[in-house]
Amino acid sequence: GNSVTQMEGPVTLSEEAFLTINCTYTATGYPSLFWYVQYPGEGLQLLLKATKADDKGSNKGFEATYRKETTSFHLEKGSVQVSDSAVYFCALNDYKLSFGAGTTVTVRA
Amino acid sequence: EPEVTQTPSHQVTQMGQEVILRCVPISNHLYFYWYRQILGQKVEFLVSFYNNEISEKSEIFDDQFSVERPDGSNFTLKIRSTKLEDSAMYFCASRSSTLSDNEQFFGPGTRLTVL
Repeated sequence: GNSVTQMEGPVTLSEEAFLTINCTYTATGYPSLFWYVQYPGEGLQLLLKATKADDKGSNKGFEATYRKETTSFHLEKGSVQVSDSAVYFCALNDYKLSFGAGTTVTVRA
Repeated sequence: EPEVTQTPSHQVTQMGQEVILRCVPISNHLYFYWYRQILGQKVEFLVSFYNNEISEKSEIFDDQFSVERPDGSNFTLKIRSTKLEDSAMYFCASRSSTLSDNEQFFGPGTRLTVL
């Protein structure tokens, strides 16, 4: 079946550091891929998405590229802020979402 | 901007009691979902619902669970006899009918605590 493997955390960074969260997937066909973010005490918000191979999703300075050859969808941000502290979930969509385990990111001032 | 809403935000119940969690999906959406997240764990799919019937359910969604769209706006999840292990955050999500637009929009969640 479909599954997502995500880099485990927690990850602690200083402000303006570079962030990478690795995500790989196993799927039949070509599902859409998503990154969701969960801020403390809140629900899930879509951060970015990519619907086909080589698509790059981007939002709020975050980027991820759908790589079919490596079955990956790694999340990156060049310069994190304290406000980026959250839990990040990689997910694939085959009409239901399959989530990774989540990565807790803490950014210190 | 349209959004998915959920009530209550927090529900505390005794083991063995029935609970109903309520969701109002985005008005022009036709696909509805429930997910749960046990504290510190990943988000898990429970059930999907389309055209007034369940389209897919996970092994978590046993006979103790049911879903219903009682009117044109609400989408409910009922747990008949709650267990301690049902304590979790429950998220409702909805998706539009356009197949190529497969983004799911999530509500803020209901935190269920079973004592």
